[in-house]
Amino acid sequence: EAQVTQNPRYLITVTGKKLTVTCSQNMNHEYMSWYRQDPGLGLRQIYYSMNVEVTDKGDVPEGYKVSRKEKRNFPLILESPSPNQTSLYFCASSTSGSPSATQYFGPGTRLTVL
Amino acid sequence: GEDVEQSLFLSVREGDSSVINCTYTDSSSTYLYWYKQEPGAGLQLLTYIFSNMDMKQDQRLTVLLNKKDKHLSLRIADTQTGDSAIYFCAEFSSNTGKLIFGQGTTLQVKP
Repeated sequence: EAQVTQNPRYLITVTGKKLTVTCSQNMNHEYMSWYRQDPGLGLRQIYYSMNVEVTDKGDVPEGYKVSRKEKRNFPLILESPSPNQTSLYFCASSTSGSPSATQYFGPGTRLTVL
Repeated sequence: GEDVEQSLFLSVREGDSSVINCTYTDSSSTYLYWYKQEPGAGLQLLTYIFSNMDMKQDQRLTVLLNKKDKHLSLRIADTQTGDSAIYFCAEFSSNTGKLIFGQGTTLQVKP
């Protein structure tokens, strides 16, 4: 089944403790991105990747890192999480960054930073 | 900068039509989208419309675009309880090459 998977789905952590949220897609998509969803703000893009080893900042990249060593994986790294990073995170992938390419979203990761 | 605005909540009775509205500011928008988010799930693309179109119909869904007023709407005919979800409007800005989302409209369908 074609899908985007994220792990973990839920995570409660404390300020400053490094964490990684994994994202994997099995559709051979070139384009992948991370969003955060906050009440009243919709989705905001954190980082995106047009292809392997190519990543770029979205609208809210501060406090996050990403890597794209393989086509299928695009992990999101929080080196030193803070409470303002408590949010619902979505990974998405598409065949390309073209606006006509449908983005497929993962199920989301709900992160709480205490 | 680019901005996409939606009302936050809409409640309708089962069988009625629902109309969810969206306004945007970026005149360089080329594609406009409607996504659906069911509880506990990611976003799913429902439909999209090119900026040179004014209407698109897909089964129970009708999208209307008024480019002059920068207004987009999604009409769901014969709304069902399974349509209860959050609906996001989004635009692709050719200025920035980014997808800009609205805040989402929660649609509640009462039996």
